[in-house]
Amino acid sequence: DVKVTQSSRYLVKRTGEKVFLECVQDMDHENMFWYRQDPGLGLRLIYFSYDVKMKEKGDIPEGYSVSREKKERFSLILESASTNQTSMYLCASSQTGGGYTFGSGTRLTVV
Amino acid sequence: AQSVTQLGSHVSVSEGALVLLRCNYSSSVPPYLFWYVQYPNQGLQLLLKYTTGATLVKGINGFEAEFKKSETSFHLTKPSAHMSDAAEYFCAVSDRNGYSTLTFGKGTMLLVSP
Repeated sequence: DVKVTQSSRYLVKRTGEKVFLECVQDMDHENMFWYRQDPGLGLRLIYFSYDVKMKEKGDIPEGYSVSREKKERFSLILESASTNQTSMYLCASSQTGGGYTFGSGTRLTVV
Repeated sequence: AQSVTQLGSHVSVSEGALVLLRCNYSSSVPPYLFWYVQYPNQGLQLLLKYTTGATLVKGINGFEAEFKKSETSFHLTKPSAHMSDAAEYFCAVSDRNGYSTLTFGKGTMLLVSP
C-alpha cells in the first residue's frame, strides 16, 4: 500500500514560533500537496510540488512556505505561527493524472 | 477555473435506506472526478474515481457514482446505508492536463441512525 506519513498527529505551538510539518511518501510519486482543512470550508490547497526543488502556490499560500529537497519528502513551514493557522493540515501525494493518497493529518493548535 | 458544489452540509438517513450525496462541478475542460471519505481523526480515503470510459463507476464499500456530463453532476449513491458509513464525504474535480491539482467541495457529513 502507498503510505503517506505525517510526522505528528497533534502539535501545539506558541504564536510567533517557526513550525515545521513533515510529510514522507514511499511510492515514488512525483506530486505532493499540502492542504488545510477547516470546518465548513473543506480542503484548501496551500502549496504543491511536481518535482524535487520545485514548488507552486496554491489558493492560500500566505504565511506558509515549503521545501522539497528529496522526492519523497515535502515539508510545510509556518514562518511565524499565528492563531488563525490553527487547523488540520493534510499532506497528499499522487502520480500525474491519478487520485491522491492522503496522510492521517496533523492537527495544529497555535496558542 | 474549476469548482465543486456539494448540496447539503449534513445528510441524515436511517440504516438500510438509500444514500444519495449530491455533487455538481464546473470545469472548462473534461474533468476527472473523485469521491473521498474521511472518518473521524483520519485522512481522506479514495472511494471511487471517474477518468474515462463507463460513466457509472463502482467503488469500495458498495458505493457508486454516475458521471452525467449534461447535468455536470457526479452524485454518490449506496442502496442500503450501514452504521459504519457515517463519515464526511468529499467530491473533487481535476482537469486532464499533465500537471493538475484537485479542487474539493466543502464536504457532506453523512449521519446514519439505527
